[in-house]
Amino acid sequence: DAGVIQSPRHEVTEMGQEVTLRCKPISGHNSLFWYRQTMMRGLELLIYFNNNVPIDDSGMPEDRFSAKMPNASFSTLKIQPSEPRDSAVYFCASSFSGADGYTFGSGTRLTVV
Amino acid sequence: GQQLNQSPQSMFIQEGEDVSMNCTSSSIFNTWLWYKQEPGEGPVLLIALYKAGELTSNGRLTAQFGITRKDSFLNISASIPSDVGIYFCAGSVSGNTPLVFGKGTRLSVIA
Repeated sequence: DAGVIQSPRHEVTEMGQEVTLRCKPISGHNSLFWYRQTMMRGLELLIYFNNNVPIDDSGMPEDRFSAKMPNASFSTLKIQPSEPRDSAVYFCASSFSGADGYTFGSGTRLTVV
Repeated sequence: GQQLNQSPQSMFIQEGEDVSMNCTSSSIFNTWLWYKQEPGEGPVLLIALYKAGELTSNGRLTAQFGITRKDSFLNISASIPSDVGIYFCAGSVSGNTPLVFGKGTRLSVIA
């Protein structure tokens, strides 16, 4: 298995632009998680899905953030409009049973200038 | 919400030394996990613990699930340069709740 695949690896965008981050979870995993990592706040859970259904989006910082999972093999995290304070590394992770050890992707490093 | 306090925040050690780091919580967790993150990559699972008092090893790594269910520690014996990275503890109350992560211990190994 290729693991959790995220794209792009790096994204530099101007403030106000729309940003879309993509994730392909491991085949057969039924839970998907989006995390944001910064030096100040560490790993923060933004939203997670079980069987493609959003379960808890209380970690999404603002209405500018949205996430979708149209099918079991694809999820997106969108920021519109982006702001400099959104600069961080965004990770997607998937698992089969929820708590039994997530597999993380390599992350997307987002820089908003 | 639930928080995990991980210490120390960073460590600088000589190659060959043993390392110990721990994680505490004000509430009970039923699963504890330890992850390692290398530069430019996502965290990778090292050890998972499912029972209070459980002691589990993975090569030079040993982790324990505290009896009170509110803490866990990770030991690395005879450190080597490739042990460099950020080590995260994570806990979960049940399989239906997502993991909560500590803020990590940044380990540097001096050859």
